[in-house]
Amino acid sequence: DAKTTQPTSMDCAEGRAANLPCNHSTISGNEYVYWYRQIHSQGPQYIIHGLKNNETNEMASLIITEDRKSSTLILPHATLRDTAVYYCIVREGNKLVFGAGTILRVKS
Amino acid sequence: DAGVIQSPRHEVTEMGQEVTLRCKPISGHNSLFWYRQTMMRGLELLIYFNNNVPIDDSGMPEDRFSAKMPNASFSTLKIQPSEPRDSAVYFCASGSRFYEQYFGPGTRLTVT
Repeated sequence: DAKTTQPTSMDCAEGRAANLPCNHSTISGNEYVYWYRQIHSQGPQYIIHGLKNNETNEMASLIITEDRKSSTLILPHATLRDTAVYYCIVREGNKLVFGAGTILRVKS
Repeated sequence: DAGVIQSPRHEVTEMGQEVTLRCKPISGHNSLFWYRQTMMRGLELLIYFNNNVPIDDSGMPEDRFSAKMPNASFSTLKIQPSEPRDSAVYFCASGSRFYEQYFGPGTRLTVT
């Protein structure tokens, strides 16, 4: 069974913040949450990961709830180039198992 | 750095033929991963290597598939004989930390 659940798709206006939710209610205490994205016709790209504290890098911010059962990836100012499939992943053994992800469409 | 290099980018072959996909990982990365992506099954991990040694090949679909990593700068994924259901995009990825994988552009394989 998938360890994460994400909405199938979302739309976002260009220049606005894109907030992508992920549920991972069965996550264990020492498991990280990883986010990747895949732009059309390209390989997936690592974005960010976190354990329990909020994380920020040049691409995005990751907000993890206190109970760690869910998280939100935030793209603060979405551009058309951010249109992609976004994957929220919890490690399974020594593997990253990619689910279906969320299709984010950024519209002008 | 040029990133992960895969060749060929596109391959069209007939059923029963041998197919060899090639990957050059990023220099200094000690882990290498082969994935397959289809519309039906999404992105699946086939096999991964650590320090040139296969660690987990449980995702390899059947004996027709084999992968090698003779040195730190080269890996191959071979399908023999190929079948139409093998048609997919095959990605190679490398990394120095398993969670931060750098993917190549992929090889689009079509088996007719």
